[in-house]
Amino acid sequence: AQSVTQLDSQVPVFEEAPVELRCNYSSSVSVYLFWYVQYPNQGLQLLLKYLSGSTLVKGINGFEAEFNKSQTSFHLRKPSVHISDTAEYFCAVSEGETSGSRLTFGEGTQLTVNP
Amino acid sequence: DTGVSQDPRHKITKRGQNVTFRCDPISEHNRLYWYRQTLGQGPEFLTYFQNEAQLEKSRLLSDRFSAERPKGSFSTLEIQRTEQGDSAMYLCASSLVGGVQYFGPGTRLTVT
Repeated sequence: AQSVTQLDSQVPVFEEAPVELRCNYSSSVSVYLFWYVQYPNQGLQLLLKYLSGSTLVKGINGFEAEFNKSQTSFHLRKPSVHISDTAEYFCAVSEGETSGSRLTFGEGTQLTVNP
Repeated sequence: DTGVSQDPRHKITKRGQNVTFRCDPISEHNRLYWYRQTLGQGPEFLTYFQNEAQLEKSRLLSDRFSAERPKGSFSTLEIQRTEQGDSAMYLCASSLVGGVQYFGPGTRLTVT
């Protein structure tokens, strides 16, 4: 069975500082990996995805993530954050058609960007 | 493309009542998923449809829960005899087969 661990429940940073949100997963088969963002009282918006190919994935709003198969990690990074990046971030894994493509999510990381 | 829509956005009900939520997927998407998200947690998979067929149900989906997708378009999720533990955000997502899931805004259920 697949599982996802987000290592930090809360990450406070100052505006324009770099940030890294950590995600580790476990699965017995090849996986697809995703980061979603959730603003208060809203649904989830896709930030970026890793399906295959280059292990460095670029997403929207200046975010990027690196897939590391040996460390089973998919950490999210941004070199300079803005106040508007304050939100909950979820890492998710899918085993593709072996599981009907259902997503397994981590518990989320609350990113708070302070002025 | 209007995205995934859900109705209602908020529902307050008394314990023991039945509630029904609706999800309208992106029009060309043949897969539709339901997830439940409790406060401070990530979403948890409940069930999914491919066209009108319900292909998988999580053990989280007790006998009080039922989902349908008639004609392979919109879907409904019904909860019978609601309990306080059913209070959560219910999220719907849609995709093409093997494609990325796009989420709706969710329906927040409060059971008093």
